[in-house]
Amino acid sequence: DVVMTQSPLSLPVTLGQPASISCRSSQSLVHSDGNTHLSWFQQRPGQSPRRLIYKVSNRDSGVPDRFSGSGSGADFTLKISRVEADDVGVYYCMQGTHWPRTFGQGTKVEFK
Amino acid sequence: EVQLVDSGGGLVQPGGSLRLSCAASGFTFSGFGMTWVRQAPGRGLEWVASIDRDGSEKNYVDSVKGRFTISRDNAKNSLYLQMNSLRAEDTALYYCARGTNSLGDWGQGTLVTVSS
Repeated sequence: DVVMTQSPLSLPVTLGQPASISCRSSQSLVHSDGNTHLSWFQQRPGQSPRRLIYKVSNRDSGVPDRFSGSGSGADFTLKISRVEADDVGVYYCMQGTHWPRTFGQGTKVEFK
Repeated sequence: EVQLVDSGGGLVQPGGSLRLSCAASGFTFSGFGMTWVRQAPGRGLEWVASIDRDGSEKNYVDSVKGRFTISRDNAKNSLYLQMNSLRAEDTALYYCARGTNSLGDWGQGTLVTVSS
């Protein structure tokens, strides 16, 4: 199985400051269809997960442009350019290239 | 607006069975693969099973193979998860989600508790 490793697992942030989460996979996520199926999800307390980013860097409709995704192969990053109050929660990466699909452990973003 | 409504959860004894349902609306259901994801209390997300658009291809996490069956009824815009031989470690909030390579929309989840 593809292991997804996120770091850090806990991320204390400051309002208005940038933040970054790393996600590394144990093998390349380039699919035979040419796409790299790496997604990022936000889960606010008590809510269902919400997708922010798909195929590495494509932002979902309604997602603020302060969120961005980058990377290739097996090394990916989610960046928040300026953290806002409703960004607290747990962030997960997920690979959709190989079976079984796998998630990272989650990164808890909370204010200092 | 895409809506996914999960139902069917509850308290069940070890070894028992449950059938989860997910009612979909707001999109062409038959045009999308679908997925079940679960989240044990206080834990992270775990992919459980996916099914392709016409139900011909199904994939499962090893821990549920032979016990869980994913299915769909495109005429009813519904996704199902039949869970048999339930174990304490299956206790979780179960979400249905749209997609298989990526999960663009999620239901609200339905809680399954396996306990005697």
